[in-house]
Amino acid sequence: DQQVKQNSPSLSVQEGRISILNCDYTNSMFDYFLWYKKYPAEGPTFLISISSIKDKNEDGRFTVFLNKSAKHLSLHIVPSQPGDSAVYFCAASGGNTPLVFGKGTRLSVIA
Amino acid sequence: EAQVTQNPRYLITVTGKKLTVTCSQNMNHEYMSWYRQDPGLGLRQIYYSMNVEVTDKGDVPEGYKVSRKEKRNFPLILESPSPNQTSLYFCASSLRWDREDQPQHFGDGTRLSIL
Repeated sequence: DQQVKQNSPSLSVQEGRISILNCDYTNSMFDYFLWYKKYPAEGPTFLISISSIKDKNEDGRFTVFLNKSAKHLSLHIVPSQPGDSAVYFCAASGGNTPLVFGKGTRLSVIA
Repeated sequence: EAQVTQNPRYLITVTGKKLTVTCSQNMNHEYMSWYRQDPGLGLRQIYYSMNVEVTDKGDVPEGYKVSRKEKRNFPLILESPSPNQTSLYFCASSLRWDREDQPQHFGDGTRLSIL
């Protein structure tokens, strides 16, 4: 059973607009959540994280929102840039469970 | 430079021929992990290690072995590779596994093709 779900395999956004990537989870023991970005031919790189005691964390153009009651988090990128085009993975951990990744969402930012 | 190094980056081999993918990190991290990435399936954990001499199965451990004899190295061993193990493999490490402020660092990946 998939504990971390990214239901949109791909997303296209125009440059300068907002990109919203969504992630749902099922394990109520998860207490921290991360987003990773992956370019082709490279390993994933850490982007931003949030602990379950917060509902928002911001880092420059990137903001992650957490809704614990809905078991849902989202990554907002504002404004989107062509260099943001990549695969984004949502990941979660907590209890005795090491990091679990979603299947990823491919973001294409169109100039 | 802090990094996770995997070797080889690419390998084409045949069914049944034992192979080892090496992973080394220079950050004195306790936690190391192996993942495979397949189209439509995302990153799935194969094995992980919380410290030296401590290893545990991830979600897809069948057909793989690991060892953690020293902190910096975490090799992935395929004793008898099969075509369904053709995949892109990533090694990762972090100082701790249970802290959000200690995210995992990934290697650049190893693309294995088993014919």
